[in-house]
Amino acid sequence: SAVISQKPSRDICQRGTSLTIQCQVDSQVTMMFWYRQQPGQSLTLIATANQGSEATYESGFVIDKFPISRPNLTFSTLTVSNMSPEDSSIYLCSVDLTGAKETQYFGPGTRLLVL
Amino acid sequence: AQTVTQSQPEMSVQEAETVTLSCTYDTSESNYYLFWYKQPPSRQMILVIRQEAYKQQNATENRFSVNFQKAAKSFSLKISDSQLGDTAMYFCALIMDSNYQLIWGAGTKLIIKP
Repeated sequence: SAVISQKPSRDICQRGTSLTIQCQVDSQVTMMFWYRQQPGQSLTLIATANQGSEATYESGFVIDKFPISRPNLTFSTLTVSNMSPEDSSIYLCSVDLTGAKETQYFGPGTRLLVL
Repeated sequence: AQTVTQSQPEMSVQEAETVTLSCTYDTSESNYYLFWYKQPPSRQMILVIRQEAYKQQNATENRFSVNFQKAAKSFSLKISDSQLGDTAMYFCALIMDSNYQLIWGAGTKLIIKP
């Protein structure tokens, strides 16, 4: 497995502002993923972040709203831009340790409330 | 399109009982992986068990086991000797060999009563 940390663990933000969420892994991984979990819902993949290339966004998510950085093999950030109350969710990062699609391990999540 | 269906929104059992959570899925691919994840109130998503579609033997992990019926596209999770710490949301998920996107079920809220 892997030890994955996220910062912040939670935040309350004002409408129109931006928040950057950090994801740190204790080992080098090729593939990192960002998910959104709206209240009472399952997870929705936002984007896949590979080191050295642009993030790949899923339908319904755009780079201007959710810019992602992946500067090295152990770290990634997700920014939620120009926030609205509809962005209130838990945001989770995950990693595929082997690249073999066997298992994704998740960070503890960031709980975001937008007022 | 691939789908994962969990038909039980909520279940509750007494501590020490056995409980089975249901999951059905749909995919046209032959190579895929199935997972059960647990999300307690702390919201940490924890891997419970995984199953490779090409393996006929059902996966087991201590008190957790699965009943994988490939032809029926069914993947149920059995929790034996349930404990209070098993209280959580349980999500069934599917990933195809052709991509990295996890397809998630809606989840089952499991409550273990003392």
